[in-house]
Amino acid sequence: DTGVSQDPRHKITKRGQNVTFRCDPISEHNRLYWYRQTLGQGPEFLTYFQNEAQLEKSRLLSDRFSAERPKGSFSTLEIQRTEQGDSAMYLCASSLSPMRSSEQYFGPGTRLTVT
Amino acid sequence: KQEVTQIPAALSVPEGENLVLNCSFTDSAIYNLQWFRQDPGKGLTSLLLIQSSQREQTSGRLNASLDKSSGRSTLYIAASQPGDSATYLCAPAARTLTFGKGTMLLVSP
Repeated sequence: DTGVSQDPRHKITKRGQNVTFRCDPISEHNRLYWYRQTLGQGPEFLTYFQNEAQLEKSRLLSDRFSAERPKGSFSTLEIQRTEQGDSAMYLCASSLSPMRSSEQYFGPGTRLTVT
Repeated sequence: KQEVTQIPAALSVPEGENLVLNCSFTDSAIYNLQWFRQDPGKGLTSLLLIQSSQREQTSGRLNASLDKSSGRSTLYIAASQPGDSATYLCAPAARTLTFGKGTMLLVSP
C-alpha cells in the first residue's frame, strides 16, 4: 500500500502526559500537512512542511505542539502536557507542490483521547 | 479569513435518487477546490479536484462544478447507492485547505 500511513491509530493518555504521533507520506510527495478534527467539525489546518522545512503554522498550534520532518520523509507531531481539549482526530496529508495544482491525500488519522 | 459553508448539513434519501450538495466560500482567491468523503471515524478520501480555471470535473457518478467568482461549488451524485452514505466535505485551497463542516448523507435501500 503506497498511501499515507499514521501511527498509532488510537491513543488514550492522561492529562499532563506527552504524546507523539507519526505520519509517513506517499513516497514521492514533498509536502506534508497536519490537521486536527473535532467531532462534528471539518478538519482544521495546523502546519505544513515542504521537504524538511516547516513553512506555515496555524495559530491553533500552541507552544505545547511541535512538529518535525527531519529528513523530508516521515513527520512527527508531539503534544506536551496534554489537556482534555486536545482530544481530537489528528490527520496527516501529503501532496506534490505546487499547491495550485496538487491534490492532498489523507491518512487514516490518529484518534487522541485525553482523560 | 476563508469561511466555508455546506448546505444541507444532513440529507436522507432513498436509493436511486440524484442529489446535489452545496458549498459556498467567502474568499474567491483560491487555487483549486477538493471534495472529500469521510466515513465515520476514518480519514478523508479525495473524490474530485477542480482547478480554479475549470468549471466542472467528473468521476463516475460524481460531477463537481465550480463558480469561483460567486464562491460556490456543487457536488452532484447520480443514482445514489447505500454505499454513498458518508459525510462529504468541500475544501477550497489557497495557502492551505479550509474545510466546511460537511454534509452527512444517508442513502437508504
